[in-house]
Amino acid sequence: DSGVTQTPKHLITATGQRVTLRCSPRSGDLSVYWYQQSLDQGLQFLIQYYNGEERAKGNILERFSAQQFPDLHSELNLSSLELGDSALYFCASSEQWGTNEKLFFGSGTQLSVL
Amino acid sequence: AQTVTQSQPEMSVQEAETVTLSCTYDTSESDYYLFWYKQPPSRQMILVIRQEAYKQQNATENRFSVNFQKAAKSFSLKISDSQLGDAAMYFCAYRSGDTLAGSYQLTFGKGTKLSVIP
Repeated sequence: DSGVTQTPKHLITATGQRVTLRCSPRSGDLSVYWYQQSLDQGLQFLIQYYNGEERAKGNILERFSAQQFPDLHSELNLSSLELGDSALYFCASSEQWGTNEKLFFGSGTQLSVL
Repeated sequence: AQTVTQSQPEMSVQEAETVTLSCTYDTSESDYYLFWYKQPPSRQMILVIRQEAYKQQNATENRFSVNFQKAAKSFSLKISDSQLGDAAMYFCAYRSGDTLAGSYQLTFGKGTKLSVIP
């Protein structure tokens, strides 16, 4: 158990809908990262938050948004869903900073858009 | 932009034997980190081993070791005494050494599916 909690584990929805994925980082970790794993694109970095502020942005679509709340949990919002958005969405957390810092992944949310 | 290439989509190894998974990367940075992650059927991403580019000594974790060739931009993973539990997808990943930016953005390869034959 990595200590990173993601809910729900599975999500099935229809095209055009909006969903919210939730992540609770490890206790004490200030940074939260979102990654998308799909058959076409592989594992891709979407976005990072550090202590409530956006820190880095990757290949995140405009239809997607995220935020980190004062209690440090994070939500990834996916709207106007398309079939191609079906993927495994990972959240990860890390300490800041340190030479031995590591990234800890949650078990992911499997999104199926039908 | 950095790229990570894993040229072996699938590999297989006999139980108790040794297997090497290949990874090459492209970067203009001199300070960076390289990782191997394991993803078993449970989908959990598990860190196997990590290498700092400034360290010449190859990292080792029990049965897992790497061959890091900085000039060649090569980072292969060797699994010794392979076990059935080693069967999984293995991903090579790169992270910039720019820790001042405070970002731990990883660039992943496409992965290698390892099968272990009893």
